[in-house]
Amino acid sequence: QKEVEQNSGPLSVPEGAIASLNCTYSDRGSQSFFWYRQYSGKSPELIMSIYSNGDKEDGRFTAQLNKASQYVSLLIRDSQPSDSATYLCAVNTGFQKLVFGTGTRLLVSP
Amino acid sequence: GAVVSQHPSWVICKSGTSVKIECRSLDFQATTMFWYRQFPKQSLMLMATSNEGSKATYEQGVEKDKFLINHASLTLSTLTVTSAHPEDSSFYICSARGLVHETQYFGPGTRLLVL
Repeated sequence: QKEVEQNSGPLSVPEGAIASLNCTYSDRGSQSFFWYRQYSGKSPELIMSIYSNGDKEDGRFTAQLNKASQYVSLLIRDSQPSDSATYLCAVNTGFQKLVFGTGTRLLVSP
Repeated sequence: GAVVSQHPSWVICKSGTSVKIECRSLDFQATTMFWYRQFPKQSLMLMATSNEGSKATYEQGVEKDKFLINHASLTLSTLTVTSAHPEDSSFYICSARGLVHETQYFGPGTRLLVL
């Protein structure tokens, strides 16, 4: 079983819609969770971090964490074509390093 | 804040030569830096973790004698690919983590092409 799992996609949504990206993790002791966005040919950039159960909002982005279900999600409201990228879920398992999922490719069509 | 730079952004070299890549945290002190490699259409693969002033910890399957890592200061880590071969051609990305927060910030990456 992979430590961090994401649907590879592509997830296609029309412009203006809500994109919902999901991630599950296997280490129940994980304490911190991150979403990164990676455009093709570029390095990942941090979108959000979340540490506590519940929702955390930052602009059009909302991260949701449910530790009991070992589930992290990212909602993107009012999706724009510029949001088209691969979204990486990362989990800190307590050994300094992050464990990354394989990423979900998001396509936002005009 | 939390800016990480890498140099060079692109390098083309002949097989057998060594290539050094620098990773710098510009506006924060990085106690830990990480080196990743990414092949086309694949996910990030962690190569090694380096802590300032100590030897790097390499992931399983990564040759430490081939990929030399030095983390001499709290703002600089270097990765040297020794005796590079075409199969080493890849996108090398560093990330840095600060003293207080465990968030990793990524550099822009270095694309290596070995002919």
